Amino acid sequence: GAVVSQHPSWVICKSGTSVKIECRSLDFQATTMFWYRQFPKQSLMLMATSNEGSKATYEQGVEKDKFLINHASLTLSTLTVTSAHPEDSSFYICSAKSPRTSPYNEQFFGPGTRLTVL
Amino acid sequence: SQQGEEDPQALSIQEGENATMNCSYKTSINNLQWYRQNSGRGLVHLILIRSNEREKHSGRLRVTLDTSKKSSSLLITASRAADTASYFCATRQAGTALIFGKGTTLSVSS
Repeated sequence: GAVVSQHPSWVICKSGTSVKIECRSLDFQATTMFWYRQFPKQSLMLMATSNEGSKATYEQGVEKDKFLINHASLTLSTLTVTSAHPEDSSFYICSAKSPRTSPYNEQFFGPGTRLTVL
Repeated sequence: SQQGEEDPQALSIQEGENATMNCSYKTSINNLQWYRQNSGRGLVHLILIRSNEREKHSGRLRVTLDTSKKSSSLLITASRAADTASYFCATRQAGTALIFGKGTTLSVSS
């Protein structure tokens, strides 16, 4: 099946530092990747959609200068939380879309990264 | 943005009972999917139902879809303690990302 990995699985950082989260599609090429955020006891909220080689499209209310997304290859997308603050503490989940999955082009989800900002 | 709501927000049942969760959404869809999430963990895909389907089964799961009412239901029969988790419906419009509902927290006690 289609496997998506994330690294790290958890990270603790000090307020004001930047944190990079990697999302990899291990056995397929993902032209499109998605980043979601989930606060405790809440649902997943779509943050942005990234297409390989182009700029990410951010959802309303998501600061593009704070959440930098790079999708430089067909198997890797990165999310960098810049100048992180405690309110950025959350569970970040990436998802990759495989063009091979027909006819639905379904999304496959990574295991998530728990970010705690002190 | 979120597509819709799950109902109920929380559900507590005994092992062996059936659990029914409902999901409503706002826009026309390509398909609707249900996911499970254990506390603090990633998502597990349960079942996908296309917009032209009305009912689908997978093991102890039964999903219905009523596009005229923009609603879906997930039935878990003969529930087990291991079914304790949060359940989310997610909808897709053509060419867009999955949008998740608010979720139902199911607690199954033995």
